[in-house]
Amino acid sequence: GENVEQHPSTLSVQEGDSAVIKCTYSDSASNYFPWYKQELGKRPQLIIDIRSNVGEKKDQRIAVTLNKTAKHFSLHITETQPEDSAVYFCAVRGTGRRALTFGSGTRLQVQP
Amino acid sequence: EAGVVQSPRYKIIEKKQPVAFWCNPISGHNTLYWYRQNLGQGPELLIRYENEEAVDDSQLPKDRFSAERLKGVDSTLKIQPAELGDSAVYLCASSPLLRQGSTGELFFGEGSRLTVL
Repeated sequence: GENVEQHPSTLSVQEGDSAVIKCTYSDSASNYFPWYKQELGKRPQLIIDIRSNVGEKKDQRIAVTLNKTAKHFSLHITETQPEDSAVYFCAVRGTGRRALTFGSGTRLQVQP
Repeated sequence: EAGVVQSPRYKIIEKKQPVAFWCNPISGHNTLYWYRQNLGQGPELLIRYENEEAVDDSQLPKDRFSAERLKGVDSTLKIQPAELGDSAVYLCASSPLLRQGSTGELFFGEGSRLTVL
C-alpha cells in the first residue's frame, strides 16, 4: 500500500518567519495531495490541496509544491502567526484507493 | 449545512467491554470513512463505504471490530471486546462520490475519544 513519510515531526518558528513541511510518498501514480490542519481537540480540516497535473498552488499565505519525479510535496506557510500553531498532516490518494493515506503529522508552534 | 456528526464525543470503558460509535455524514455524501487516530499520529483508515457497501475494509481488525451503514446514511462502528490498545480517537469522515473534476475532499467529524482502562 501507499507509504507516506512526513518531516519534521515538530517545528518551532518565530512569528513572521516561514515554515516548511515536507512529505514523501511511494506510489508514483498517486494523484491527489491535500494538507489538513488539526487544532488541539478539533477535527482535521483541509487547508490546501493539489492534483498531480499541477506543480504549485498558492492561497494567501500558504502554498503547496509538488515534485512528481522525486515523489515529494511540501507545505509552505509564510508570515506565520500564532493562530497557525497546530498539527499539520499531509495526505495522499494512491491509485485504486479512494481513501487518503495520512502522514504522521507535524506539530507547528509559532512563538509570538 | 450541518457537518459530520459523531457521538459520543468521549467514552471511558473497562477492557473487555463493548463500545459503539455513531456517525451521521453530510447530507448527500455517498462515501463514508472510519479512521482511527492514535495519540501523536495521523489518521489510519479502518473502513470505507460507498453508499451501503464496504469497499475497503482491509485495515479493520475483524476479530473484534465491526461496522455497518444501513440504508447508506448513518454508520456505526463497534468494538467487542475492547482492549487497552484500542484507546484512540475514532474519526468519521464523508465525501461526495468521486467524479471527474471533484477534489475528493474529506470532511471530518469531531471524533469519538475512547479510553480503555
